Amino acid sequence: AQKVTQAQTEISVVEKEDVTLDCVYETRDTTYYLFWYKQPPSGELVFLIRRNSFDEQNEISGRYSWNFQKSTSSFNFTITASQVVDSAVYFCALSEVNTGTASKLTFGTGTRLQVTL
Amino acid sequence: DVKVTQSSRYLVKRTGEKVFLECVQDMDHENMFWYRQDPGLGLRLIYFSYDVKMKEKGDIPEGYSVSREKKERFSLILESASTNQTSMYLCASRRTANYGYTFGSGTRLTVV
Repeated sequence: AQKVTQAQTEISVVEKEDVTLDCVYETRDTTYYLFWYKQPPSGELVFLIRRNSFDEQNEISGRYSWNFQKSTSSFNFTITASQVVDSAVYFCALSEVNTGTASKLTFGTGTRLQVTL
Repeated sequence: DVKVTQSSRYLVKRTGEKVFLECVQDMDHENMFWYRQDPGLGLRLIYFSYDVKMKEKGDIPEGYSVSREKKERFSLILESASTNQTSMYLCASRRTANYGYTFGSGTRLTVV
């Protein structure tokens, strides 16, 4: 069975600090996808990134970066120079690769990030 | 801009009522999903559908049913609402397997 663990329930930082959100996953599949979603106070989940299990290159997008390490089954998310608008709940998720019927996403329990002035 | 629309943002229903939560997507996606979100539990999959009239149970289907008569619409039905079904319900769609989901804004349901 697949499992995603986000051990940090809540994180509070002051604006401009860097912050890393941890994600550890379990799967028996050799091929899978990993995702990060952001849920602002409005409630809608916003897609941030998808990473294929074969692609271990780290990714940077503006202030966001992702560190995928297959050896430790981790897919951590770092926000550099955090801003108040980054305050949200962040979910890590895992999906099997399936060309048949719909494969489902397994979500972690989320990390609530609070950025204050 | 692609959209998943959930008909109600907030709903209050009485115990025992039959409740319909509607979800419509305009992206011609094959796959649609219903999740519920509860504090400390993350998102849990209730049901999903990979085609019209096709449905599969997720991790917590008890007390729920679904209907997908048209490709763009996926309805979640609470046959007899109970207080433990008070939750945030999120609908999502996806073109095919291996693509990311697009989520709706959610329906916060309170059963009293």
